[in-house]
Amino acid sequence: EDQVTQSPEALRLQEGESSSLNCSYTVSGLRGLFWYRQDPGKGPEFLFTLYSAGEEKEKERLKATLTKKESFLHITAPKPEDSATYLCAVQRHSHDKIIFGKGTRLHILP
Amino acid sequence: DVKVTQSSRYLVKRTGEKVFLECVQDMDHENMFWYRQDPGLGLRLIYFSYDVKMKEKGDIPEGYSVSREKKERFSLILESASTNQTSMYLCASTVSRYQPQHFGDGTRLSIL
Repeated sequence: EDQVTQSPEALRLQEGESSSLNCSYTVSGLRGLFWYRQDPGKGPEFLFTLYSAGEEKEKERLKATLTKKESFLHITAPKPEDSATYLCAVQRHSHDKIIFGKGTRLHILP
Repeated sequence: DVKVTQSSRYLVKRTGEKVFLECVQDMDHENMFWYRQDPGLGLRLIYFSYDVKMKEKGDIPEGYSVSREKKERFSLILESASTNQTSMYLCASTVSRYQPQHFGDGTRLSIL
């Protein structure tokens, strides 16, 4: 069965303290892996798509990487405005359904 | 930028009522989706549509139906609302099935 597991469930960091969020997946034939950011009371906002192992994407303080089993969202020198829930989702070749992880709640303390 | 608009941010209804949640997108997207999001359960797909008049069941369609009379509008209907349908409902759209989905800001629905 296809699965997406995100860890940790919650993470508290001091402003400027870099860290990584993990997304482990088991899916037959990955078509794409998506990262989203969700602020409280709002819908998910698309960040990145990764298609193949070794691929990396960057946006401001965020960098997403992909291996054959997992993806990392690296946050460098985070600021309080980076506080949000980060969602990972996967889609496989033989099916267009997207499977979401349960997210990591990130809190950056000033 | 893609704009997905959900008609209500907050809604309170009573058990047994028929409830309509509306979603409109302005980017001429073919594909539209309805999810519900609950703490500890993540996003779960209720229904989706790849074309006008077309609909497909997702993972948890029981107690729901949908309507897509126009390309830009996708409605979720709770036929007879129950308390276990209290949730955050999210609408999404995408230009193709293999592109990332773009979400609205959600409707937080409470069934009393």
